[in-house]
Amino acid sequence: DIQMTQSPSTLSASVGDRVTITCRASQSISSWLAWYQQKPGKAPKLLIYKASSLKSGVPSRFSGSGSGTEFTLTISSLQPDDFATYYCQQYNSLWTFGQGTKVEIK
Amino acid sequence: EVQLVESGGGLVQPGGSLRLSCAASGFTFRSYEMNWVRQAPGKGLEWVSYIDGSGSTIYYADSVKGRFTISRDNAKNSLYLLMNSLRAEDTALYYCTRDEANLFDSWGQGTLVTVSS
Repeated sequence: DIQMTQSPSTLSASVGDRVTITCRASQSISSWLAWYQQKPGKAPKLLIYKASSLKSGVPSRFSGSGSGTEFTLTISSLQPDDFATYYCQQYNSLWTFGQGTKVEIK
Repeated sequence: EVQLVESGGGLVQPGGSLRLSCAASGFTFRSYEMNWVRQAPGKGLEWVSYIDGSGSTIYYADSVKGRFTISRDNAKNSLYLLMNSLRAEDTALYYCTRDEANLFDSWGQGTLVTVSS
């Protein structure tokens, strides 16, 4: 089974900050990596797929990069609506989520 | 508009059974693969099970294999999850998700399953 490890678990940041979340896979998953955003009491929403492709309608301040085993999600300028928990997910072999990164207000 | 509405959750004793349902609308249900994903209270997301459009290909997470059964009724635009031999660790919010190229592009609001005596 492929394990996904995110860091950090919690991130404190201010509006306007550049934020980076890292996700590591226990084996190579090529670019089969997605990022989801979840707000309290809501279902997750797909943001990025195939490591760096932005889903239609997602603001361009979100970007993804990486391949193989190392991936990053970057928010170029954090907005009030972005305070949420972010999950990476591999879909190279079945599906596995990372444990999540909570982005909170500093 | 894609809509997924889960139902069937509730309180069940350890060792008991429960059947979850997911009513789909706004898209051609039979053309899409579907998944169940769960989230324990205050915890992260865990993929549970997958079914293809015809119901002929099915996968399960190791944590539920042999206890849970996924199925679908394309005539009723519905997805199901039969959960047997429930354990305390199965307590979670269960989401129905639509699968587009192995991505979970639409989610329901979830139905809560609580396993407790």
